[in-house]
Amino acid sequence: DTAVSQTPKYLVTQMGNDKSIKCEQNLGHDTMYWYKQDSKKFLKIMFSYNNKELIINETVPNRFSPKSPDKAHLNLHINSLELGDSAVYFCASSQLGTGSYEQYFGPGTRLTVT
Amino acid sequence: DQQVKQNSPSLSVQEGRISILNCDYTNSMFDYFLWYKKYPAEGPTFLISISSIKDKNEDGRFTVFLNKSAKHLSLHIVPSQPGDSAVYFCAASAKGYNQGGKLIFGQGTELSVKP
Repeated sequence: DTAVSQTPKYLVTQMGNDKSIKCEQNLGHDTMYWYKQDSKKFLKIMFSYNNKELIINETVPNRFSPKSPDKAHLNLHINSLELGDSAVYFCASSQLGTGSYEQYFGPGTRLTVT
Repeated sequence: DQQVKQNSPSLSVQEGRISILNCDYTNSMFDYFLWYKKYPAEGPTFLISISSIKDKNEDGRFTVFLNKSAKHLSLHIVPSQPGDSAVYFCAASAKGYNQGGKLIFGQGTELSVKP
């Protein structure tokens, strides 16, 4: 029973296309995140949602738009894909306010833009 | 500006010996530190954490040490096992709701434990 799941696991698409990545968590957490791991293996936060409210929006291009229909889901929509968007995208979740900063990660979505 | 640094991209250790992975940080506002383990094609999994009010936390074979004055933490794995071979990420966070639980990650150290 997967705690944080992402679909799809692999996504290959052409430049200029629009694509979405879905994330679901069944841990009952109130906060969800999107991270990007680039070719240099750095894991960097992109967005954070708490109870469906956007609380972190790092310097990410407007082409990236997160959407949280409910606390258990956080989707990432990317418009006009560029070569530089190729990366592994990880979804994560946590429960804020507990004193623990532990986050649980999904398996990742490898996006390849050609 | 890289606030969390892992200066060793790789480490090779013999099975049964100690593995020591190091991490340095620059932001004095960080008050919580975590280590994550990552296998290829999987997401990072939480390993162990430490609050800034402590200098040591132990969980089985894993111990994390924090030296606040040096802004340095380390992960000790004793004894190392081949199954420990993975990429280890150090991460840090600062208190405050406006931080949203944001984790700042180091670039990772690839540990190889040889039988």
